[in-house]
Amino acid sequence: TQLLEQSPQFLSIQEGENLTVYCNSSSVFSSLQWYRQEPGEGPVLLVTVVTGGEVKKLKRLTFQFGDARKDSSLHITAAQPGDTGLYLCAGVPDGNKLVFGAGTILRVKS
Amino acid sequence: NAGVTQTPKFRILKIGQSMTLQCAQDMNHNYMYWYRQDPGMGLKLIYYSVGAGITDKGEVPNGYNVSRSTTEDFPLRLELAAPSQTSVYFCASSLRTGGSGKLFFGSGTQLSVL
Repeated sequence: TQLLEQSPQFLSIQEGENLTVYCNSSSVFSSLQWYRQEPGEGPVLLVTVVTGGEVKKLKRLTFQFGDARKDSSLHITAAQPGDTGLYLCAGVPDGNKLVFGAGTILRVKS
Repeated sequence: NAGVTQTPKFRILKIGQSMTLQCAQDMNHNYMYWYRQDPGMGLKLIYYSVGAGITDKGEVPNGYNVSRSTTEDFPLRLELAAPSQTSVYFCASSLRTGGSGKLFFGSGTQLSVL
């Protein structure tokens, strides 16, 4: 079982649609990170959220950290083909090392 | 800056063979990591290092060994390759540890053990 559960596992949408992917846990995290990974490459950090309830925006991407610091969401507005990739959340359960979720594969069709 | 460089990009091994995956970073990061990525399983930590001469096991260390003789290099050794080690391997480095540290990843090594 994954400490961080991501949903959905796979998402295929048309260009211009909005979407939200989720990262959930029963554990409390001191912070959560979101990475995007393209085929044949390593993950690249998009954002780190550290405060419960925190919202961060990166152009069309909006990241939210849950009030209880057990979950996070990534919302993409008007998705574009360039958003295609594997989205990974990662976090540090209190006192432990960074762990990753299994990821959400996003495909945006033009 | 090249960032984190991994070699080789692809490799096919026979069961029982040995090999070393190379990883080098030019950012003067103290922290370095080896992960494996399997479909639907995310990234699992194999070994990590907090500085030259210091290494420690991660979540899935069995069948692997590491060394850290310099700040720049962190090779991963597979001694007796098994089919269960077929995976994509990523090396990463960071300036800080834990959730506040931004991990910089290499582009990965795709390994098949047949």
